[in-house]
Amino acid sequence: NAGVTQTPKFRILKIGQSMTLQCTQDMNHNYMYWYRQDPGMGLKLIYYSVGAGITDKGEVPNGYNVSRSTTEDFPLRLELAAPSQTSVYFCASSYPGKLFFGSGTQLSVL
Amino acid sequence: GENVEQHPSTLSVQEGDSAVIKCTYSDSASNYFPWYKQELGKRPQLIIDIRSNVGEKKDQRIAVTLNKTAKHFSLHITETQPEDSAVYFCAAGNAGGTSYGKLTFGQGTILTVHP
Repeated sequence: NAGVTQTPKFRILKIGQSMTLQCTQDMNHNYMYWYRQDPGMGLKLIYYSVGAGITDKGEVPNGYNVSRSTTEDFPLRLELAAPSQTSVYFCASSYPGKLFFGSGTQLSVL
Repeated sequence: GENVEQHPSTLSVQEGDSAVIKCTYSDSASNYFPWYKQELGKRPQLIIDIRSNVGEKKDQRIAVTLNKTAKHFSLHITETQPEDSAVYFCAAGNAGGTSYGKLTFGQGTILTVHP
């Protein structure tokens, strides 16, 4: 099993550009999450999904969108990138009792 | 919503000493308290967790204690080793249904173990 796979690992965006962060898991977990981690800070929940076709907002959803068309994939969309979105983004999936994180995407918006 | 405070923000110990990190939470409905270790440039990894029906849990050199009345929980690492150096995060959430991943994280503690 590859676990939770995120792409890309690094990305630099210009203000106003758009991009999609990809996340896929091969553990057949129903629950998936997107967190962001600002420098020196803990993780904050952006969006989560309890299954294909079902998504909901977390603590910091503004500026982001998600979709969940399959159990495996949970992409995160940034429509109009802003410097405040410079962060490390972690996708995760959960099995009851444990959260599995991807390796992260480091995003800089300049 | 839930608010988690974590202290200290940095902790420096000598190899072999013990390290203690403390967290407080605000939502009495929270009943699941995991601890994550994050090495530089790596993903967070679960090291231990505790449910609110348990007061203490141990796994080799790591232990977690929970005081529901005071709404605080602590991570204890004994006989620290240089490889324990990392950032440690506490988190709180409600372990029901979909909620395992809907965690509120503390700010993190940078632990440095000096040889």
